[in-house]
Amino acid sequence: ETGVTQTPRHLVMGMTNKKSLKCEQHLGHNAMYWYKQSAKKPLELMFVYSLEERVENNSVPSRFSPECPNSSHLFLHLHTLQPEDSALYLCASSRGWGTDTQYFGPGTRLTVL
Amino acid sequence: EDQVTQSPEALRLQEGESSSLNCSYTVSGLRGLFWYRQDPGKGPEFLFTLYSAGEEKEKERLKATLTKKESFLHITAPKPEDSATYLCAVQGSDRAAGNKLTFGGGTRVLVKP
Repeated sequence: ETGVTQTPRHLVMGMTNKKSLKCEQHLGHNAMYWYKQSAKKPLELMFVYSLEERVENNSVPSRFSPECPNSSHLFLHLHTLQPEDSALYLCASSRGWGTDTQYFGPGTRLTVL
Repeated sequence: EDQVTQSPEALRLQEGESSSLNCSYTVSGLRGLFWYRQDPGKGPEFLFTLYSAGEEKEKERLKATLTKKESFLHITAPKPEDSATYLCAVQGSDRAAGNKLTFGGGTRVLVKP
């Protein structure tokens, strides 16, 4: 089993709700990532955090807001989502910025009604 | 922009019937090519990293190879437990993009007993 955990595993929310996804890594890594996996689409990188606090936002809508309080925890805050935001949200971590292998968590299955 | 195309989209095999999956890529300076396995409802599980043309790596019934334009994942004498979606991803040399992985759409493999 991977050293990256995500909670909750499943989430159903209305378009007016506010919720947060949590990711925790137990691998001693220094970089963490959020990916979105939609049906019949490749994984898409949403955000990157590293010890240097560099944040990469790949044109992600502002209704998604990341937070990284320390190198072990990563959050994705959600508000006023759209039904097309329904997807599997995956967290990953790697040893460092620019280092290769990323290890993924089990994902949060999000459904927006 | 980095691009990854995987073929076929789906593959049905009889147990013991060997086959190969293809990953074609275009990237501005390959830093690494990654293979992951993903089971339904779970996060991707890391399999291999390949760095340069001619490199090969093996793990049980899986063998990954790399050329300058594509990578193959060979499955030898597969078993039903090898059924999964296999994902290919590349990392380019654009350091401004950080540790960004560009994923292909995956190949769904079903091994029937």
